[in-house]
Amino acid sequence: GAVVSQHPSWVICKSGTSVKIECRSLDFQATTMFWYRQFPKQSLMLMATSNEGSKATYEQGVEKDKFLINHASLTLSTLTVTSAHPEDSSFYICSAGLEPGQGVDQPQHFGDGTRLSIL
Amino acid sequence: AQSVAQPEDQVNVAEGNPLTVKCTYSVSGNPYLFWYVQYPNRGLQFLLKYITGDNLVKGSYGFEAEFNKSQTSFHLKKPSALVSDSALYFCAVRPLYNFNKFYFGSGTKLNVKP
Repeated sequence: GAVVSQHPSWVICKSGTSVKIECRSLDFQATTMFWYRQFPKQSLMLMATSNEGSKATYEQGVEKDKFLINHASLTLSTLTVTSAHPEDSSFYICSAGLEPGQGVDQPQHFGDGTRLSIL
Repeated sequence: AQSVAQPEDQVNVAEGNPLTVKCTYSVSGNPYLFWYVQYPNRGLQFLLKYITGDNLVKGSYGFEAEFNKSQTSFHLKKPSALVSDSALYFCAVRPLYNFNKFYFGSGTKLNVKP
């Protein structure tokens, strides 16, 4: 089955540093990937849609300059939290959308998430 | 506005008893419906889906879900709960007009007690 690998799984860093999170589709190509943020005991909040070879589409209220997304290949999307602050601490999850030619009844496949803690 | 509702933040059930986790949706057309499960500090795992056909669909780990078009509901069920079923469950809806758009419910914490 389709596997999405997300790395790292846990990050603790000082305020002001930048953190990069990688999302890879291991056995399939993902033209589109999604980045979500999840607060404790809350649902997923879609942050942005990452499109291979083009700019990401950000949801309303998400700072583009704070959360940089790059989708350089069909198997890799990265989210960089720039100049991170304690309020950026959260659980970030990526998922892969449909690959070219895939049936629209297929589910999204999720990575295992990254727990980001900013001190 | 498109939305997915999971009216219960938490569901408590004793091991061996049947469980139901509710989901209703308000999405245009005849969307595709999904259930996911999330364990602590993990991503979402796909459980089952409804696309068309029989209103009762079966999925992983003994879970099933019943689609009701008139009530726009897609409730998750299991005849006999296990302690290991304790997790966070999300209902998701994909509209036909945007295959890459998922609407998620707010999640329901299932607690199965021994």
